[in-house]
Amino acid sequence: SQQGEEDPQALSIQEGENATMNCSYKTSINNLQWYRQNSGRGLVHLILIRSNEREKHSGRLRVTLDTSKKSSSLLITASRAADTASYFCATDLSQGAQKLVFGQGTRLTINP
Amino acid sequence: AAGVIQSPRHLIKEKRETATLKCYPIPRHDTVYWYQQGPGQDPQFLISFYEKMQSDKGSIPDRFSAQQFSDYHSELNMSSLELGDSALYFCASSLHSRGPGEKLFFGSGTQLSVL
Repeated sequence: SQQGEEDPQALSIQEGENATMNCSYKTSINNLQWYRQNSGRGLVHLILIRSNEREKHSGRLRVTLDTSKKSSSLLITASRAADTASYFCATDLSQGAQKLVFGQGTRLTINP
Repeated sequence: AAGVIQSPRHLIKEKRETATLKCYPIPRHDTVYWYQQGPGQDPQFLISFYEKMQSDKGSIPDRFSAQQFSDYHSELNMSSLELGDSALYFCASSLHSRGPGEKLFFGSGTQLSVL
């Protein structure tokens, strides 16, 4: 079963609006990361939030983490057409696992 | 800055053939990961290597094998290819000394099509 589940699976908004994507996971983690993927391309790391952090910002990105609910959200403010992509959350399992487990992703479309 | 290099970018094979995918990590990165991503799917972890030793294993079929060489590049060998192996195969690298679960740097992937 998937470690990370993303919600919604697809999101379409107008340029300038804010986009919020959610991710839930099942087991305890060391950190949670968000990645972006343009169609058919490699994944690009956006932001990492550790299990002892609750909120983190990077430019127009804001990530929250609620370990009690095993969930995270990614907020992109003032969206731009160039933000159109798929966004994935990824979790590293605790106990030193050498891998990231990805969720199913949210396909974000920003309409100009 | 140097990124993760994967080759080939595209590969077309027939069923039951073999394929070899190559990955060259970012210089000084000592950990390599392989992921498989089917159309519209999330990346699925296959296998990882640290200092030339397998460090973790995911949903990698027995028909697949991989290794990391002394120069840290890695190869994913796929035999008896099946139609269902058609996917985008990503390699990623990281620096292990920064700790497990640090951010990964991904290559552009190899698109494998099995006909």
